[in-house]
Amino acid sequence: QVQLQESGPGLVKPSETLSLTCTVSGGSISSYYWSWIRQPPGKGLEWIGYIYFSGSTSYNPSLKSRVTISVDTSKNQFYLKLSSVTAADTAVYYCARVGILIGYYNDYWGQGTLVTVSS
Amino acid sequence: EVVMTQSPDTLSLSPGERATLSCRASQSVSSSYLSWYQQKPGQAPRLLIYGASTRATGIPARFSGSGSGTDFTLTISSLQPEDFAVYYCQQNYNLPWTFGQGTKVETK
Repeated sequence: QVQLQESGPGLVKPSETLSLTCTVSGGSISSYYWSWIRQPPGKGLEWIGYIYFSGSTSYNPSLKSRVTISVDTSKNQFYLKLSSVTAADTAVYYCARVGILIGYYNDYWGQGTLVTVSS
Repeated sequence: EVVMTQSPDTLSLSPGERATLSCRASQSVSSSYLSWYQQKPGQAPRLLIYGASTRATGIPARFSGSGSGTDFTLTISSLQPEDFAVYYCQQNYNLPWTFGQGTKVETK
């Protein structure tokens, strides 16, 4: 059973960089795409971007100038960095695997981690 | 960007009733790339349906998906107490991948 676990600081100061790690267990990070998705408190889901195990990426244009997603296959981990954060970046951040049996979809999700942007 | 619009925003039903949730895309989406998720308070979303109509592993048969092009539907044939939650559709056909705003299914 594939499991994902987000980790990182729960509080980030405005203008600083949010950094999160997603650790994948129960399966290899290879041969899949991996997504970051966020959800502001009381609101809907927003796709941030994905990375393929080989390192190719795609980002949401609304965040593209501030987002970097990277992967370390040796550690079975992938990462999110979001720079110049503001209060609008306060959200629960989820990592998810992109399933590929038919099209693409998010089949395994982490439990999510709340990141609050505040001084 | 493909805008996904779900309707209604809130659906008030009783256990045992049929729920029909709609998801409309602003442009045509391949049905292979349309998925549905259920989210309960304090939990991560859970995959229900992928490829517009294929149930994910462990999902009860009362959940079904249909549709093509720009119009997709999630149907819950007979609501169980554990089905009251928020439901999201997502298209993974065109970048950026986008979610609908969600439909809350609440107890009447």
